[in-house]
This record gives sequence, structure tokens and C-alpha cells, in this order.
Amino acid sequence: NAGVTQTPKFRVLKTGQSMTLLCAQDMNHEYMYWYRQDPGMGLRLIHYSVGEGTTAKGEVPDGYNVSRLKKQNFLLGLESAAPSQTSVYFCASSSRQGAEGSDQPQHFGDGTRLSIL
Amino acid sequence: AQSVAQPEDQVNVAEGNPLTVKCTYSVSGNPYLFWYVQYPNRGLQFLLKYITGDNLVKGSYGFEAEFNKSQTSFHLKKPSALVSDSALYFCAVRDMGAAGNKLTFGGGTRVLVKP
Repeated sequence: NAGVTQTPKFRVLKTGQSMTLLCAQDMNHEYMYWYRQDPGMGLRLIHYSVGEGTTAKGEVPDGYNVSRLKKQNFLLGLESAAPSQTSVYFCASSSRQGAEGSDQPQHFGDGTRLSIL
Repeated sequence: AQSVAQPEDQVNVAEGNPLTVKCTYSVSGNPYLFWYVQYPNRGLQFLLKYITGDNLVKGSYGFEAEFNKSQTSFHLKKPSALVSDSALYFCAVRDMGAAGNKLTFGGGTRVLVKP
């Protein structure tokens, strides 16, 4: 089972460059999320999606955009990369089953390590 | 707004000894609580959850967690730690005020189990 797959795994960018991170899940999950992980700060939610064609802002959305054109894919874009966006980015997905999905765990990819010089 | 605190950045324990990782939470209403583990260069893996029912929840890899409503705590425990339990552990609470099963994570606790 592939689960949640993130590409690329590593990337180095120069300040001002743009790029897109791809997340794909094969579990038919309704919900998808993008987090960033920085030392000592846990995971912080950037954007999330409750279904195909819908997205919403999380805790730290500035400088990022997302799209969910297909249910299985969730894209995270950096239009003009900044050194403050150097981080490890994780995608996750979860099911809506159960009591409004509240009891369903999130399933994570293995991350994209992004360095911006 | 909900929040989660993990007061210890690192926990050191000898192999075979009991392991406890602390977590306290703040929510309005009944909490939905989760523990995740992260091994090096990997994503987070779900360990266990508390939704309702028994205060002692059993999960994967021999871990369990005790929900204490009066102390607003949800500590992770393992009776006998293994070297392979060395990892980063995250406590999380469900955001009950919004759709989408969002979670708020604590800052993480690094566990080091020494042989």
C-alpha cells in the first residue's frame, strides 16, 4: 500500500524561485492537509481541504497556495520562495467516516525537505 | 482555541524501564486526543486515540495512554521501553470547532532509550 506519497523528497531553491510540492493519496480520503515542521515547534497547519475543489487556510498560510483539482491530489505552491520557508513539509490525509470524521487519524507522507538559499 | 503542551523536550530512559511522555491539553468541551510517533526521516505514524469511554487507551507497539479529565492530561506510557522506541512523539487534539478533522499538535518530545 502506497498510502500518502510526496514528491519531491528533497529540493534546494534560490530566494524568489517558485515550486510546487505534490501529494497523492490512494486511500480515497476526503480530507487532506499540508503542514510544515520546524525544530521545537511541532507541526503547523498551512492549508487543508475537506473535498475536491475546496481549500481553506490553516495556521500559517502566508506565502503558500494550494489546489485540489482531483480528490487524490493536493498541491502546495510557493510562488516566491523565502529563506523563512526552509522547512520539512508534510502532507496528510484522513477519512470522513465515523462521527463527522472526528475520530479518524491522519495518515502522513514521509515529507519533503526544502532548503531556500 | 484548543492547545496542547508537551513539557519535556527530551526523555531519557534505560531499556526495560517504564517510559512516560507527558501531554496536557486545553479545549472547550470534550477532547478528542491523539498520539503520533515520528522516526528519523519519516512521517508521523498514528499510535492511539482517546474519543470517549475507558480512560486507559491501548495502542500500537505496546503503548498506552491515560486520559485524566481533572488534570487535563493525556500521558503516553509503555511499561518496558525498547531501544527501537527511540523517536519523536507528538500529542495532538482535534479542533472541534471546524470541519475537516483538523489537529493541533504539541511541540514534540524526543525519547532516547539507552541499552
